[in-house]
Amino acid sequence: GENVEQHPSTLSVQEGDSAVIKCTYSDSASNYFPWYKQELGKGPQLIIDIRSNVGEKKDQRIAVTLNKTAKHFSLHITETQPEDSAVYFCAADQAGTALIFGKGTTLSVSS
Amino acid sequence: DSGVTQTPKHLITATGQRVTLRCSPRSGDLSVYWYQQSLDQGLQFLIQYYNGEERAKGNILERFSAQQFPDLHSELNLSSLELGDSALYFCASSVSQGEEKLFFGSGTQLSVL
Repeated sequence: GENVEQHPSTLSVQEGDSAVIKCTYSDSASNYFPWYKQELGKGPQLIIDIRSNVGEKKDQRIAVTLNKTAKHFSLHITETQPEDSAVYFCAADQAGTALIFGKGTTLSVSS
Repeated sequence: DSGVTQTPKHLITATGQRVTLRCSPRSGDLSVYWYQQSLDQGLQFLIQYYNGEERAKGNILERFSAQQFPDLHSELNLSSLELGDSALYFCASSVSQGEEKLFFGSGTQLSVL
C-alpha cells in the first residue's frame, strides 16, 4: 500500500518568512495529493490540493508543487503569519480509495 | 464547520470495555472514513465505507469493527480496549470515493484508563 513520508516534523520561522514542508510517496499509481491544516482541538481541514496532471498550484500565500517522476510534493507558505501556526499534513490517495497521511509537521510562526 | 458530526466528543472508559463512536457525514456524502490519531503515529487510516459497503481497510485491529447504515451514518466499535487504544478518532466523509477531498469531523477523544 501507499506510504507517505513527511519532513520536517517541526518547523519554526519568523513572521514574514517562508516555510516549506516536503513529502514523498511510494505508490506511483497515486494521483491526488492534498494538504491539510489542523489547529488545536479541531479536525484537519483541507487547505490546498493538487492532481497528478499538474506540476504546481497556487492559492494566495500557499503553493504546492508536485514531481511525479521523483514521487515528491511540497507545500510552500510565503509571508507567514502567527495564525499559520498549526500542524500540517500531506496525503496521497491509495489506489483511488482512502487518503494516506504523513506524520505531520508542527509549524510555529513567531512574531 | 465541516458538516461532519461526531459523538461523543470525549469518552473515558476502562481496559477491557467496549465503546461505540458515531459519525454523521455531510449531507449528500456517500463515503465515510475512520482515522486514528495518536501523538507518535499521526493520522492512521482504519477503514472506509461507501454507500453502506466496506471499500478499503487500513491498519484496523481485529478488536475494532465498523459499519455504515442505510441513512449513511457510521459507527466504529472498539472492544477489549487496551491502554494503547487511547487516541483521537476522526471520521471524515466525501461525496464519492477515491482521489477527492475529505471533510473531517472534530473527533472523539478516547481515554482508556
